[in-house]
Amino acid sequence: EAQVTQNPRYLITVTGKKLTVTCSQNMNHEYMSWYRQDPGLGLRQIYYSMNVEVTDKGDVPEGYKVSRKEKRNFPLILESPSPNQTSLYFCASSPAGGGRNYGYTFGSGTRLTVV
Amino acid sequence: GNSVTQMEGPVTLSEEAFLTINCTYTATGYPSLFWYVQYPGEGLQLLLKATKADDKGSNKGFEATYRKETTSFHLEKGSVQVSDSAVYFCALLNNAGNMLTFGGGTRLMVKP
Repeated sequence: EAQVTQNPRYLITVTGKKLTVTCSQNMNHEYMSWYRQDPGLGLRQIYYSMNVEVTDKGDVPEGYKVSRKEKRNFPLILESPSPNQTSLYFCASSPAGGGRNYGYTFGSGTRLTVV
Repeated sequence: GNSVTQMEGPVTLSEEAFLTINCTYTATGYPSLFWYVQYPGEGLQLLLKATKADDKGSNKGFEATYRKETTSFHLEKGSVQVSDSAVYFCALLNNAGNMLTFGGGTRLMVKP
């Protein structure tokens, strides 16, 4: 089944403790993105990648890092999480140039709570 | 920059009522427009899309028409069901295809 898989689904952590949220897709998509969802704000892009070793900032990159060493994986790293990063996070992927016709495929989400 | 504005919810309807969720956008170039749906506890699913002016996207009884003159992409359904209860997001994809810009989401509640 074609899908985007995120782990974990739920995570509670303490301020300052480094964490990584994994994202993997099995569709050979070039484009991958991370979004955070907050009430009333919709989804906002954190980082995106257009191919291996090609990443760039989205609208809200502060406090996050990403890497794209392999085409299928796009982990999101919070090196020193803070409570304002408590949110619902989504990973998404799309074929290059295919987003216009097919949209992006989203993962099931990771609900992160930073206390 | 690009932006999407959609009506705030929640929208509460009785089963078989007519649904309209308004969406307007501001964008440079020629974006593609989408409606995504999020059921409780799940991720976002693509509901329908339109890639150019006057295109009509449709799926599962939902429709939306890309209106460039009014920069709108309103979602409609003639007869809603309880199973349509969810949060609906309007979104546009930029010309480079690497960023979706979302509206704030509209929660729809359909009562039997």
